[in-house]
Amino acid sequence: GAVVSQHPSWVICKSGTSVKIECRSLDFQATTMFWYRQFPKQSLMLMATSNEGSKATYEQGVEKDKFLINHASLTLSTLTVTSAHPEDSSFYICSAPTGAGGANVLTFGAGSRLTVL
Amino acid sequence: KQEVTQIPAALSVPEGENLVLNCSFTDSAIYNLQWFRQDPGKGLTSLLLIQSSQREQTSGRLNASLDKSSGRSTLYIAASQPGDSATYLCAVGNNNDMRFGAGTRLTVKP
Repeated sequence: GAVVSQHPSWVICKSGTSVKIECRSLDFQATTMFWYRQFPKQSLMLMATSNEGSKATYEQGVEKDKFLINHASLTLSTLTVTSAHPEDSSFYICSAPTGAGGANVLTFGAGSRLTVL
Repeated sequence: KQEVTQIPAALSVPEGENLVLNCSFTDSAIYNLQWFRQDPGKGLTSLLLIQSSQREQTSGRLNASLDKSSGRSTLYIAASQPGDSATYLCAVGNNNDMRFGAGTRLTVKP
């Protein structure tokens, strides 16, 4: 079946540094990918929609200059948390539509846990 | 804007008990509804996917129902086991994205 791979699975960084998270679609192409964020004991919240070859669409309240999204190819989207601070510590997860089993089925990556010291 | 609500927020049951988790959504114009399991510190595991034209799906001890007109879905877990302990998330698909409920944290006691 379709697989979405995320890397790294976890990262610890110092405050003020930038962190890049990769989301790859394996064995299928994804013109659109979705980035979610989950704070402890809360549900996943959609942050942005990544579009191959064009600008990402951000949800209300998400800073586009803080969370840079690049969808440079049909199999790769990256999320860069710029000048990370402790409040950015969260679980970030991406997904891509696979079409398997019908339209609008999303396959999720395993997630990336970011801890900012 | 689609809003997804899950009740209860937490549930603790003895092993062997049957249980029902509830999910409600505000916009009935959905493409599908999906139930996920999330273990602490882990990613999502898809349990069941119900297309908008379907009313239920079953997998092993799990059965999920969908009543689109009333904006409700239930996840039924039969003969619960300690290994079922996790957070269960309901997600509703609209226009190629998904909106999640806050989840139900299930604890099954041996």
